[in-house]
Amino acid sequence: GAVVSQHPSRVICKSGTSVKIECRSLDFQATTMFWYRQFPKQSLMLMATSNEGSKATYEQGVEKDKFLINHASLTLSTLTVTSAHPEDSSFYICSARRTGGWDTQYFGPGTRLTVL
Amino acid sequence: AQSVTQLGSHVSVSEGALVLLRCNYSSSVPPYLFWYVQYPNQGLQLLLKYTTGATLVKGINGFEAEFKKSETSFHLTKPSAHMSDAAEYFCAVSERTSGSRLTFGEGTQLTVNP
Repeated sequence: GAVVSQHPSRVICKSGTSVKIECRSLDFQATTMFWYRQFPKQSLMLMATSNEGSKATYEQGVEKDKFLINHASLTLSTLTVTSAHPEDSSFYICSARRTGGWDTQYFGPGTRLTVL
Repeated sequence: AQSVTQLGSHVSVSEGALVLLRCNYSSSVPPYLFWYVQYPNQGLQLLLKYTTGATLVKGINGFEAEFKKSETSFHLTKPSAHMSDAAEYFCAVSERTSGSRLTFGEGTQLTVNP
C-alpha cells in the first residue's frame, strides 16, 4: 500500500506556456500533499504544502502565482507551472501523507520538466 | 529549527562490504527520523523510519538504522553491499506534531564497486 503516482513523468514545453502536473494517492486518502523541487545532484526543496479543500501554504521565496496548487480531493493534487521559463526546468516530486497518519510521507516518482 | 547533516556526499564501497551512511540531526526534542533512497530519475522510496520504541530499526533491502539520542545520530547500515544498492540516500527528520514538514539532509551518493 501507500502508492503515489505522478503524471506526466516527463514533459517538454515551450517558454511561456503552462504545464500541469498531477499527483495521486492510489490506495489511500491524503489530506496533505507536498510539492518539492529537486535540482541535479541536490536535495529536495519543499515548495508548498497542500491541504485538501484549502489554500496551499507556500515556502518563502516560492511564487504562489507562478506555481498554482490545487488539492480538490483526498487523492489528487495538481501543480501548474504558469508561463514557464527555462529556469523552471527541474525535477518536481510530490508526496502524500495518509489522513490521520501524520508521521510518514510517501513520494511519487517525479516529473521531469524541460522548458525550451 | 531542525537540521540534518549527512557526513560524506559520496561513499564508495566494494560489493559485499559494510555500508555505513552517517546522519546527525539537530532538534530541540527527539524528532521522527527517516531514511529514503532515490534511484536515478525516480522519486524517493522509504527505507525505514524511527518514531518510537526500539531504537534499532530494520528496513527494507537489508538496511537498518539505530537512533542514538545521546549522539543525535541515526546512521544507516547494511552488512553486505549489493550492486543494486547504488543510489542516492537521504536522511530526513520531522517534528512529532501533526502537519509537520520533512527536513532533508543533502544526500549521500553510494557507489558499489564490483
